[in-house]
Amino acid sequence: GAVVSQHPSWVICKSGTSVKIECRSLDFQATTMFWYRQFPKQSLMLMATSNEGSKATYEQGVEKDKFLINHASLTLSTLTVTSAHPEDSSFYICSAPGWRATGYTFGSGTRLTVV
Amino acid sequence: SQQGEEDPQALSIQEGENATMNCSYKTSINNLQWYRQNSGRGLVHLILIRSNEREKHSGRLRVTLDTSKKSSSLLITASRAADTASYFCATALGTGTASKLTFGTGTRLQVTL
Repeated sequence: GAVVSQHPSWVICKSGTSVKIECRSLDFQATTMFWYRQFPKQSLMLMATSNEGSKATYEQGVEKDKFLINHASLTLSTLTVTSAHPEDSSFYICSAPGWRATGYTFGSGTRLTVV
Repeated sequence: SQQGEEDPQALSIQEGENATMNCSYKTSINNLQWYRQNSGRGLVHLILIRSNEREKHSGRLRVTLDTSKKSSSLLITASRAADTASYFCATALGTGTASKLTFGTGTRLQVTL
């Protein structure tokens, strides 16, 4: 079945630094990927839609200059958290649409801690 | 704002019992999906039900959809300790294969031995 590989699974960084999270579709091409953010014991909030070869579409309230999304190929989308601050600490998850009735495939998530 | 509300927020049952989770949503949908999330992990797709379907089964899972009430339910029969996880409903508004999903608030299920 469709697999999305997300790396790293966890990262700790200092305030002010940038962190890149990668999502790769391993056995299928994903022209679209979605990036979510999840706080502890809460639901997933869609941050942006990543489109291969074009600019990402950001949800209202998400700073596009802070959360840079690049979808340069049909199998790779990246999310870069720039100038990270402690309030950016969260669980970030990517997903890609699956085939018709198979639902969406999710990466395993990245736990970001900014200290 | 969240599209869906789920109840209960938390559910604790014993192994062998059935677990029922409910999801309500606000707007018309193309399909509704249920996902499971183990702690600190990504989501796993469980089942998809289209807006013109009323009930769907997959193994020990049974999903119903009532579009007139804008609600869905997930029933897990004969629960096991391994079913302990958070369960989310998600709605797709568009008809395309790359429609955005909007997630409900989730139900945390605890199955004890």
